[in-house]
Amino acid sequence: DGGITQSPKYLFRKEGQNVTLSCEQNLNHDAMYWYRQDPGQGLRLIYYSQIVNDFQKGDIAEGYSVSREKKESFPLTVTSAQKNPTAFYLCASSLLAGGAYEQYFGPGTRLTVT
Amino acid sequence: SQQGEEDPQALSIQEGENATMNCSYKTSINNLQWYRQNSGRGLVHLILIRSNEREKHSGRLRVTLDTSKKSSSLLITASRAADTASYFCATDPPESSYGKLTFGQGTILTVHP
Repeated sequence: DGGITQSPKYLFRKEGQNVTLSCEQNLNHDAMYWYRQDPGQGLRLIYYSQIVNDFQKGDIAEGYSVSREKKESFPLTVTSAQKNPTAFYLCASSLLAGGAYEQYFGPGTRLTVT
Repeated sequence: SQQGEEDPQALSIQEGENATMNCSYKTSINNLQWYRQNSGRGLVHLILIRSNEREKHSGRLRVTLDTSKKSSSLLITASRAADTASYFCATDPPESSYGKLTFGQGTILTVHP
């Protein structure tokens, strides 16, 4: 059963704490992405990775960090430096990097920071 | 600002009617994709259309692309209540980094049974 999994579905944290969101894929895709979605908004790219051990900042990388040590895993850490971390976070992957490839999305993690 | 902007922001129709959503963008593109998102879920890819294509079909979906007007439309024919979702266009400008799609804010479609 191939796809992308994100865990947990809901996450609650206190302000000032770092939190790591998990993203795993078994599609053998090279490229992976993290997006943030706010209510009534489209998706904004946080980080993306074209290949293992490589990643690039997206449009809103400040306050976030990622790693890509394994092809199938691309965890996102929301640090205490992120001023407004409460949002819906979506992970995606594609066979290769490039707009000609469709992206497959996970079910998302809804993070609430109070 | 967002590369792709959908219009209308919200659309409410009866089951059986057709639904048309539009996407406009500002710069040239290599590809344009349409995605669907059910409430609180991840996005699902619907169709990809390349800049040298004018129209593509997939089941009840028809996508057109007019590069001279920098616009695309998604038509859902004979809509069903299960089509209720948000629909996003995503563009891939030539100058963007690898795989960097830019998403619009979406059209919320409600299909009443």
